[in-house]
Amino acid sequence: DGGITQSPKYLFRKEGQNVTLSCEQNLNHDAMYWYRQDPGQGLRLIYYSQIVNDFQKGDIAEGYSVSREKKESFPLTVTSAQKNPTAFYLCASSSDSYGYTFGSGTRLTVV
Amino acid sequence: DQQVKQNSPSLSVQEGRISILNCDYTNSMFDYFLWYKKYPAEGPTFLISISSIKDKNEDGRFTVFLNKSAKHLSLHIVPSQPGDSAVYFCAAIDFSGNTPLVFGKGTRLSVIA
Repeated sequence: DGGITQSPKYLFRKEGQNVTLSCEQNLNHDAMYWYRQDPGQGLRLIYYSQIVNDFQKGDIAEGYSVSREKKESFPLTVTSAQKNPTAFYLCASSSDSYGYTFGSGTRLTVV
Repeated sequence: DQQVKQNSPSLSVQEGRISILNCDYTNSMFDYFLWYKKYPAEGPTFLISISSIKDKNEDGRFTVFLNKSAKHLSLHIVPSQPGDSAVYFCAAIDFSGNTPLVFGKGTRLSVIA
């Protein structure tokens, strides 16, 4: 079955450490996205990539980095520069402008 | 500046009654509008959408209405069921801008049996 996989589902990080969230899709979608969900804040766009080896900052890119070396993969690194990283992170992909398929998310907690 | 606004953070409805979720937008260039449904600790799933050239789209118990002059859309769920309890996100896109979907903050719907 085609889909989008995020791992791990739960992740704990010590303050000052970088951590990488995985996102893999086998839908052959060109575009991939990272969103962050906080209570009462909805879905806020961190980074997106419309094609391999290219990506753009979203609304809240500070403290995050991404890469898009393969069509199937779009990992997100939460760096120590991100002041408030505890959140629920969602990855999505699309083959057109609006047909987004979301992963099941990663809950990141800073301890 | 929030381009898509869902001003009601939560809504409670009795089972069998109608649920009406509202969404306002500010960008007149938006071409297409979508509703996503999200359960806790899961990713959002697509529910229903509407093009800016239409004013209504219906899919089973779900109907979306678009009022372009008021920059307002609404999602109607009839009849509401306990399984509809979730967070509903309104989203919009401007195709000419070649930018990602813009989401509202969501409305948490609770359907009470």
